[in-house]
Amino acid sequence: GDSVTQMEGPVTLSEEAFLTINCTYTATGYPSLFWYVQYPGEGLQLLLKATKADDKGSNKGFEATYRKETTSFHLEKGSVQVSDSAVYFCALLSGNTPLVFGKGTRLSVIA
Amino acid sequence: NAGVTQTPKFQVLKTGQSMTLQCAQDMNHEYMSWYRQDPGMGLRLIHYSVGAGITDQGEVPNGYNVSRSTTEDFPLRLLSAAPSQTSVYFCASRPGTGGFETQYFGPGTRLLVL
Repeated sequence: GDSVTQMEGPVTLSEEAFLTINCTYTATGYPSLFWYVQYPGEGLQLLLKATKADDKGSNKGFEATYRKETTSFHLEKGSVQVSDSAVYFCALLSGNTPLVFGKGTRLSVIA
Repeated sequence: NAGVTQTPKFQVLKTGQSMTLQCAQDMNHEYMSWYRQDPGMGLRLIHYSVGAGITDQGEVPNGYNVSRSTTEDFPLRLLSAAPSQTSVYFCASRPGTGGFETQYFGPGTRLLVL
């Protein structure tokens, strides 16, 4: 079945550092890809998404590009802030099937 | 719109007790689902529904029941609570089954079973 693999955490960075969280997927069709973020004590919320190959999703300084050739959707941000500390989930969606999540990556940004 | 709402926020149960976690959405979404989140385990799907009157099992359905009598509500029932069901439970909804819609999550219910 479909699956998502993302890098294990936790990731600890200093403020203004560059962030990359790797995400690769396995899917039989042409899924849509998502990054969700979970701030402490809250539910998940959409950070960005891409629905077809070569699409780039972006939001709040975060970016991810749907790479079909490498089956990847890596999350990047050029300069992280303390307020970006959260858990980040990569996910894929194919048709009417349930959303498939990676295990999540905890990011801590220190001042 | 209130979005996806869940009640209660916190609950403590004794082993063997039953309870219902409530979930409601006011966005007229067809698709709703329940997840549990345990430390280091990410999110695991319990049950989901593609529309009123239709439900299906997810990855970890044992010990949980659901029904979907209306588009808006999707309650999760624990029939006989066990300590292994201590977790944070999230309800989610999305518009339909097109394969590209954003899924919206509730704020979660934190459950402790003693």
